[in-house]
Amino acid sequence: QKEVEQNSGPLSVPEGAIASLNCTYSDRGSQSFFWYRQYSGKSPELIMFIYSNGDKEDGRFTAQLNKASQYVSLLIRDSQPSDSATYLCAVKGGNNRLAFGKGNQVVVIP
Amino acid sequence: EPEVTQTPSHQVTQMGQEVILRCVPISNHLYFYWYRQILGQKVEFLVSFYNNEISEKSEIFDDQFSVERPDGSNFTLKIRSTKLEDSAMYFCATSGRAGFNEQFFGPGTRLTVL
Repeated sequence: QKEVEQNSGPLSVPEGAIASLNCTYSDRGSQSFFWYRQYSGKSPELIMFIYSNGDKEDGRFTAQLNKASQYVSLLIRDSQPSDSATYLCAVKGGNNRLAFGKGNQVVVIP
Repeated sequence: EPEVTQTPSHQVTQMGQEVILRCVPISNHLYFYWYRQILGQKVEFLVSFYNNEISEKSEIFDDQFSVERPDGSNFTLKIRSTKLEDSAMYFCATSGRAGFNEQFFGPGTRLTVL
């Protein structure tokens, strides 16, 4: 059973600051890693994916992957009020199912 | 931009009734999935479907659940005899490729079982 852990509680950041989110996973064979954003009552929206160790940048978002330590992180630079949402970490192994973490709520304070 | 669509947006049903949730995948996508999210809980995988057959299913996807692609466009999830604990958001997701497999989610159907 793959486990994806997102343990930190709600994160409050001032507008313009950097929000940092972490995720760990248990299945060392995991191949692909995704960050989804979910607004309250809405569906998950794919914002980043990363497959190789290191950093991947897309606009204000940077995903970081460290397979040896089995963690993946997401940085949100220049945080905006519209970034206030729950961020879900998802991991895919050898099959096609995604295993999701419980999510981290981010609140950007104007 | 192509999107996954789902109908209905909200379904209320009595316990023991059958429901069918519908999804229209992104047109060139070949891999289809159903997930559910009970209020306040994680998104959970139910089933994946490719080439007109189930490729994988979770422990949740028992005999009361079934999926099909009846007409080449819709992808449906049927729950034969709903239980109170089936109340959840049900999301359809689709992917254009296997392997790395970015999955795009539809807006969801909120199922309420009374």
